[in-house]
Formats: sequence, structure tokens, C-alpha cells
Amino acid sequence: AQKITQTQPGMFVQEKEAVTLDCTYDTSDPSYGLFWYKQPSSGEMIFLIYQGSYDQQNATEGRYSLNFQKARKSANLVISASQLGDSAMYFCAMRVFRDDKIIFGKGTRLHILP
Amino acid sequence: ETGVTQTPRHLVMGMTNKKSLKCEQHLGHNAMYWYKQSAKKPLELMFVYNFKEQTENNSVPSRFSPECPNSSHLFLHLHTLQPEDSALYLCASSQEITGGNEQFFGPGTRLTVL
Repeated sequence: AQKITQTQPGMFVQEKEAVTLDCTYDTSDPSYGLFWYKQPSSGEMIFLIYQGSYDQQNATEGRYSLNFQKARKSANLVISASQLGDSAMYFCAMRVFRDDKIIFGKGTRLHILP
Repeated sequence: ETGVTQTPRHLVMGMTNKKSLKCEQHLGHNAMYWYKQSAKKPLELMFVYNFKEQTENNSVPSRFSPECPNSSHLFLHLHTLQPEDSALYLCASSQEITGGNEQFFGPGTRLTVL
């Protein structure tokens, strides 16, 4: 069975520091994709970044990068130079390509301190 | 309108009421989804529609009834709900249901069942 684990329920980080949000996953399928979403207090889920299981390089999107370690089955999100607007819930998710489901982790609440 | 919209944003209903949640996507996507987000629980997939056909019903009680008249619109009809059904209901869409297609989410409907 597929599973996503986010072990950090909450984090406090000083503004302008880099942040690493942990995500580990479990699947026996070789073909899958990993996603990170941000959910501000408004409730909307915002797509941040995607990493495919066959991608050779770590994904990057602006200040977001995904530290993909396939052997360890981890897909940590790194936010560089954090900003106050980064305060939100962050969800790691996985989709096995042969399936039509995305499985989400429980999320990490990130607080950026001024 | 762009992206994924949901109405209403907030809904309070009694256990004997019948109401409907509406979702509309303006992205030309073929797949649409309903999720339930309860406090302290992972995001739960409820239903998946692909080209208007339901492909997934994740053991959802029959008091939730989805309807997808076309690829752009998705409804969730509610009747005789329970207080534990109070949650944020999120609609999402994606280009296809498989592979690395990210899902784009609406702002959600905050439902309270009295």
C-alpha cells in the first residue's frame, strides 16, 4: 500500500532562513510522482513543485526545491530565504502512475517569524 | 473566472437539510475530484471523475452524492448529514487522471453540520 509520512506537525523558522520540510513515502511501484502543496489559512491548496520517480535531477521552482533521495524514499521540500507569506500548511503527496489517486500526508504547519 | 471555483464558500446546514456544493473549472481539464479535509486528518479523496465518468468512489457514505454533468462542472449533493461530516470540502481538477499531472484546487467549501 502507498503511504506518505510527514513527521513534523509544526515548525517555527526565522524569516530569511532556509526551511526543510520532511516527507517520506512508501510504494512498491517503480513509476510515481511526488508533489508538494501549500495551504494558506484561506484554505486553497496551491501546487508548488513536482518530482517524477524517473527524473534524474531534483526539481526546482523559484525558491522551492525538492531534495529527492530515491533510495531513502524521501522527498523533502526546501524553501530558501523564507518569507512571512510562507506561513501555511504544507502537504506532501504521491501518485502512482497506474492509479488515479493522489495520497496526501498529514501536513506540516510552518510558521515564519519576523 | 480562472482556475477552479467553488460555491458556496461557507455552508451551515441541519441534519435534515438537502444542499449541494458546486465546483467549476476553467482550465480545460478532463478529470475532477472531491476531497474532504477534516481537522487533524489527512486529506481524504472522496470521488474521481474522468471525462464525466466516475472512476473512484472511496467508500463514501451514500449521503454524499456526486454529479458530473460535463468535464467543467462537478457537484456534491448532501442529504441527512451527520455532525462528523463537518469539514472543508475541496474540489480539484487535473488534465488527466494518471501520470505526473498536478491537481489544481479550488478554495473549498467550509461545511458545518448542526
